[in-house]
Amino acid sequence: QSVLTQPPSVSEAPGQTVTISCSGSSSNIGHHDVNWYQQFPGQAPKVLIFYDVLLPSGVSDRFSASKSGTSASLAISGLQSEDEADYYCAAWDVSLNDYVFGTGTKVTVL
Amino acid sequence: QVQLQESGPGLVKASETLSLTCIVSGVSISGSSYYWGWIRQPPGKGLEWIGSVSYSGSVDYSPSLKWRATISADMSRDSFSLRLTSVTAADTAVYYCARRFSGTYAFEVWGQGTMVTVSP
Repeated sequence: QSVLTQPPSVSEAPGQTVTISCSGSSSNIGHHDVNWYQQFPGQAPKVLIFYDVLLPSGVSDRFSASKSGTSASLAISGLQSEDEADYYCAAWDVSLNDYVFGTGTKVTVL
Repeated sequence: QVQLQESGPGLVKASETLSLTCIVSGVSISGSSYYWGWIRQPPGKGLEWIGSVSYSGSVDYSPSLKWRATISADMSRDSFSLRLTSVTAADTAVYYCARRFSGTYAFEVWGQGTMVTVSP
């Protein structure tokens, strides 16, 4: 069982904004930076967010993230069909000495 | 352009040892800014970090796998490897190698992944 909890799925119409939550604890999200990954079926994950809110070069600015206390969230604005994928949060857990991934969220564009 | 490529048997018998290698091109793995890791994903399930080796050769493992996993780096060949002993069906997964910068835990370059099936 992952220590980072995400909703199994979220869906929204094209052009709208969808938000994915990631709930953790003081030993992971509350202690270390959060990363977010996007994964298409049959492909390797791709980092979308590092250091809680930073976008790597080449990642669309339609993606944004925030963190408060022991929770984090990823927002996708101007939702497009190409955003349909699985999304994972991740963080280092200082109690477990483990890099933990969230349970994953499937985004569906209606 | 940095590229990572996993290689190894796609089928391993239960109780035996899984061995994979990640060949890195486009950068030296001995560069002081990077850590090199293994992550796996069972079919239809989420991601699991296995461990990472640093540019200096130090290794960290996930507590859940530390007694069975060994990660090592061959700086002269710009490659790093994973050995996982006493495998069971639960170790059936896509295995990815990946790179992260020393200042963050985010893995920013990934290999394409290799499927490993553990047979009875």
